[in-house]
Amino acid sequence: KAGVTQTPRYLIKTRGQQVTLSCSPISGHRSVSWYQQTPGQGLQFLFEYFSETQRNKGNFPGRFSGRQFSNSRSEMNVSTLELGDSALYLCASSLRGGGGTGELFFGEGSRLTVL
Amino acid sequence: GQQLNQSPQSMFIQEGEDVSMNCTSSSIFNTWLWYKQEPGEGPVLLIALYKAGELTSNGRLTAQFGITRKDSFLNISASIPSDVGIYFCAAVNYGGSQGNLIFGKGTKLSVKP
Repeated sequence: KAGVTQTPRYLIKTRGQQVTLSCSPISGHRSVSWYQQTPGQGLQFLFEYFSETQRNKGNFPGRFSGRQFSNSRSEMNVSTLELGDSALYLCASSLRGGGGTGELFFGEGSRLTVL
Repeated sequence: GQQLNQSPQSMFIQEGEDVSMNCTSSSIFNTWLWYKQEPGEGPVLLIALYKAGELTSNGRLTAQFGITRKDSFLNISASIPSDVGIYFCAAVNYGGSQGNLIFGKGTKLSVKP
Protein backbone atom coordinates (compact mmCIF):
# COMPACT_ATOMS: atom_id res chain seq x y z
CA LYS A 1 0.00 0.00 0.00
CA ALA A 2 1.57 3.28 -1.11
CA GLY A 3 2.13 5.88 1.58
CA VAL A 4 1.48 9.60 1.53
CA THR A 5 3.34 11.27 -1.31
CA GLN A 6 4.38 14.89 -1.26
CA THR A 7 5.88 16.88 -4.11
CA PRO A 8 8.18 18.59 -4.51
CA ARG A 9 10.54 17.41 -1.76
CA TYR A 10 12.71 20.49 -1.86
CA LEU A 11 12.25 23.92 -3.31
CA ILE A 12 13.82 27.34 -3.07
CA LYS A 13 11.86 30.53 -3.63
CA THR A 14 12.47 34.22 -3.15
CA ARG A 15 10.45 36.66 -1.10
CA GLY A 16 7.25 37.75 -2.74
CA GLN A 17 6.87 34.65 -4.87
CA GLN A 18 4.16 32.06 -4.40
CA VAL A 19 4.41 28.30 -4.06
CA THR A 20 2.10 25.32 -4.49
CA LEU A 21 2.72 22.03 -2.71
CA SER A 22 0.99 18.78 -3.54
CA CYS A 23 -0.06 15.82 -1.45
CA SER A 24 -1.46 12.44 -2.49
CA PRO A 25 -2.98 10.60 0.50
CA ILE A 26 -3.06 6.89 1.14
CA SER A 27 -5.65 5.23 -1.07
CA GLY A 28 -9.02 5.26 0.65
CA HIS A 29 -8.15 8.07 3.05
CA ARG A 30 -10.47 11.01 2.67
CA SER A 31 -8.96 13.34 5.26
CA VAL A 32 -5.84 15.37 4.54
CA SER A 33 -4.20 17.68 7.05
CA TRP A 34 -1.30 20.07 6.56
CA TYR A 35 1.27 21.05 9.16
CA GLN A 36 4.15 23.50 9.19
CA GLN A 37 7.24 22.33 11.04
CA THR A 38 9.96 24.73 12.16
CA PRO A 39 12.69 24.24 14.78
CA GLY A 40 11.31 26.99 16.99
CA GLN A 41 7.57 26.36 16.76
CA GLY A 42 7.44 22.62 16.22
CA LEU A 43 4.46 21.16 14.35
CA GLN A 44 1.71 23.68 13.78
CA PHE A 45 -1.63 22.83 12.21
CA LEU A 46 -2.49 24.66 9.01
CA PHE A 47 -5.78 23.12 7.83
CA GLU A 48 -7.68 19.91 7.31
CA TYR A 49 -9.75 18.81 4.36
CA PHE A 50 -12.30 16.03 4.18
CA SER A 51 -14.20 15.18 1.03
CA GLU A 52 -13.14 18.44 -0.65
CA THR A 53 -14.34 20.59 2.27
CA GLN A 54 -12.11 22.49 4.65
CA ARG A 55 -13.09 21.24 8.09
CA ASN A 56 -10.74 23.25 10.24
CA LYS A 57 -8.10 25.93 9.91
CA GLY A 58 -5.17 26.83 12.11
CA ASN A 59 -3.98 30.26 13.09
CA PHE A 60 -2.14 31.23 9.91
CA PRO A 61 -2.60 34.31 7.71
CA GLY A 62 -4.74 34.23 4.60
CA ARG A 63 -1.63 33.87 2.45
CA PHE A 64 -1.84 30.18 3.30
CA SER A 65 -4.61 28.39 1.46
CA GLY A 66 -5.44 24.90 0.36
CA ARG A 67 -7.88 22.75 -1.48
CA GLN A 68 -8.78 19.12 -1.98
CA PHE A 69 -9.82 17.43 -5.17
CA SER A 70 -12.42 14.73 -5.74
CA ASN A 71 -9.70 12.04 -5.72
CA SER A 72 -8.66 13.27 -2.23
CA ARG A 73 -5.38 14.74 -3.47
CA SER A 74 -4.66 18.06 -1.85
CA GLU A 75 -2.66 21.16 -2.60
CA MET A 76 -1.61 24.02 -0.42
CA ASN A 77 -0.54 27.42 -1.66
CA VAL A 78 1.45 30.14 0.00
CA SER A 79 1.37 33.54 -1.67
CA THR A 80 3.67 36.52 -1.19
CA LEU A 81 6.33 34.41 0.49
CA GLU A 82 8.18 35.75 3.50
CA LEU A 83 11.49 34.61 4.98
CA GLY A 84 9.61 33.20 7.96
CA ASP A 85 7.73 30.81 5.71
CA SER A 86 10.87 28.70 5.38
CA ALA A 87 9.87 25.38 6.90
CA LEU A 88 9.10 21.75 6.35
CA TYR A 89 5.50 21.40 5.22
CA LEU A 90 4.00 18.07 6.15
CA CYS A 91 0.88 16.49 4.78
CA ALA A 92 -0.91 13.76 6.69
CA SER A 93 -3.83 11.59 5.72
CA SER A 94 -6.24 9.60 7.83
CA LEU A 95 -9.12 7.26 7.31
CA ARG A 96 -11.70 9.28 9.15
CA GLY A 97 -12.06 13.01 9.08
CA GLY A 98 -14.35 14.59 11.64
CA GLY A 99 -14.22 12.48 14.75
CA GLY A 100 -10.51 12.21 14.25
CA THR A 101 -8.57 9.81 16.46
CA GLY A 102 -5.24 11.55 16.02
CA GLU A 103 -3.88 8.62 14.03
CA LEU A 104 -2.22 10.33 11.11
CA PHE A 105 -0.02 9.02 8.33
CA PHE A 106 2.55 11.62 7.34
CA GLY A 107 4.38 12.16 4.10
CA GLU A 108 8.09 12.97 4.01
CA GLY A 109 7.37 16.66 3.66
CA SER A 110 8.24 19.48 1.31
CA ARG A 111 11.23 21.52 2.46
CA LEU A 112 10.68 25.17 1.47
CA THR A 113 13.49 27.69 1.67
CA VAL A 114 12.67 31.35 1.10
CA LEU A 115 15.59 33.62 0.24
CA GLY B 1 -4.59 28.24 23.83
CA GLN B 2 -3.97 24.60 24.46
CA GLN B 3 -0.39 23.45 24.47
CA LEU B 4 1.61 20.40 25.39
CA ASN B 5 4.76 20.76 27.47
CA GLN B 6 7.18 18.01 26.54
CA SER B 7 10.37 17.22 28.42
CA PRO B 8 13.21 16.81 28.22
CA GLN B 9 13.99 18.75 25.06
CA SER B 10 16.93 16.50 24.27
CA MET B 11 18.66 13.43 25.63
CA PHE B 12 22.10 11.96 25.02
CA ILE B 13 22.31 8.39 26.22
CA GLN B 14 24.45 5.29 25.91
CA GLU B 15 23.22 2.30 23.97
CA GLY B 16 21.44 -0.10 26.31
CA GLU B 17 20.13 2.57 28.67
CA ASP B 18 16.45 3.12 29.34
CA VAL B 19 14.79 6.38 28.33
CA SER B 20 11.86 8.25 29.82
CA MET B 21 10.08 11.31 28.49
CA ASN B 22 6.82 12.95 29.37
CA CYS B 23 4.22 15.39 28.20
CA THR B 24 1.89 17.53 30.29
CA SER B 25 -0.94 19.93 29.64
CA SER B 26 -3.26 22.14 31.63
CA SER B 27 -6.12 20.84 29.46
CA ILE B 28 -7.83 17.47 29.54
CA PHE B 29 -7.65 15.20 26.49
CA ASN B 30 -9.30 11.87 25.79
CA THR B 31 -6.60 10.66 23.42
CA TRP B 32 -2.82 10.77 23.71
CA LEU B 33 -0.40 9.65 21.03
CA TRP B 34 3.34 9.35 20.54
CA TYR B 35 5.06 9.87 17.19
CA LYS B 36 8.68 9.46 16.13
CA GLN B 37 10.37 11.44 13.40
CA GLU B 38 13.65 10.35 11.86
CA PRO B 39 15.84 12.71 9.83
CA GLY B 40 14.36 13.44 6.42
CA GLU B 41 11.11 11.67 7.21
CA GLY B 42 7.67 12.58 8.42
CA PRO B 43 6.49 11.56 11.89
CA VAL B 44 5.36 7.97 12.34
CA LEU B 45 2.77 6.91 14.89
CA LEU B 46 4.23 4.72 17.64
CA ILE B 47 1.48 4.34 20.21
CA ALA B 48 -2.06 5.65 20.67
CA LEU B 49 -3.79 5.72 24.07
CA TYR B 50 -7.54 6.11 24.46
CA LYS B 51 -8.30 5.50 28.11
CA ALA B 52 -7.11 7.26 31.26
CA GLY B 53 -4.69 5.05 33.13
CA GLU B 54 -4.06 2.90 30.06
CA LEU B 55 -0.60 1.38 29.73
CA THR B 56 0.33 0.19 26.23
CA SER B 57 3.48 -1.42 24.88
CA ASN B 58 4.91 -1.64 21.39
CA GLY B 59 8.06 -3.74 21.54
CA ARG B 60 10.56 -1.90 23.73
CA LEU B 61 8.29 1.12 23.94
CA THR B 62 5.76 1.60 26.72
CA ALA B 63 3.42 4.55 27.02
CA GLN B 64 0.91 5.52 29.66
CA PHE B 65 -2.14 7.76 29.57
CA GLY B 66 -2.14 9.71 32.83
CA ILE B 67 -5.04 9.18 35.19
CA THR B 68 -5.77 12.91 35.26
CA ARG B 69 -5.97 12.89 31.42
CA LYS B 70 -3.53 15.80 31.45
CA ASP B 71 -0.32 13.91 30.86
CA SER B 72 1.36 10.97 29.19
CA PHE B 73 4.68 9.19 29.48
CA LEU B 74 6.84 7.25 27.05
CA ASN B 75 9.54 4.84 28.10
CA ILE B 76 12.06 3.12 25.83
CA SER B 77 13.90 0.17 27.30
CA ALA B 78 17.39 -0.98 26.30
CA SER B 79 17.92 1.73 23.70
CA ILE B 80 19.63 0.95 20.40
CA PRO B 81 21.14 3.28 17.77
CA SER B 82 18.04 3.13 15.56
CA ASP B 83 16.02 4.76 18.36
CA VAL B 84 17.62 8.05 17.34
CA GLY B 85 15.10 10.65 16.29
CA ILE B 86 12.64 13.19 17.62
CA TYR B 87 9.76 11.89 19.70
CA PHE B 88 6.58 13.95 19.73
CA CYS B 89 3.65 13.62 22.03
CA ALA B 90 0.27 14.61 20.63
CA ALA B 91 -3.20 14.92 22.08
CA VAL B 92 -6.70 15.31 20.79
CA ASN B 93 -10.26 15.12 22.01
CA TYR B 94 -11.71 12.31 19.94
CA GLY B 95 -14.98 13.46 18.46
CA GLY B 96 -13.65 16.69 17.01
CA SER B 97 -11.91 17.52 13.79
CA GLN B 98 -8.38 16.27 13.26
CA GLY B 99 -7.44 19.92 13.50
CA ASN B 100 -7.72 19.71 17.25
CA LEU B 101 -4.70 17.41 17.32
CA ILE B 102 -1.84 19.34 18.92
CA PHE B 103 1.79 18.37 19.27
CA GLY B 104 4.49 18.86 21.85
CA LYS B 105 7.74 20.38 20.67
CA GLY B 106 9.54 17.08 20.76
CA THR B 107 12.32 15.26 22.58
CA LYS B 108 15.44 14.76 20.48
CA LEU B 109 17.07 11.46 21.33
CA SER B 110 20.70 10.70 20.57
CA VAL B 111 22.13 7.24 21.27
CA LYS B 112 25.84 6.63 21.53
CA PRO B 113 26.86 3.12 20.46
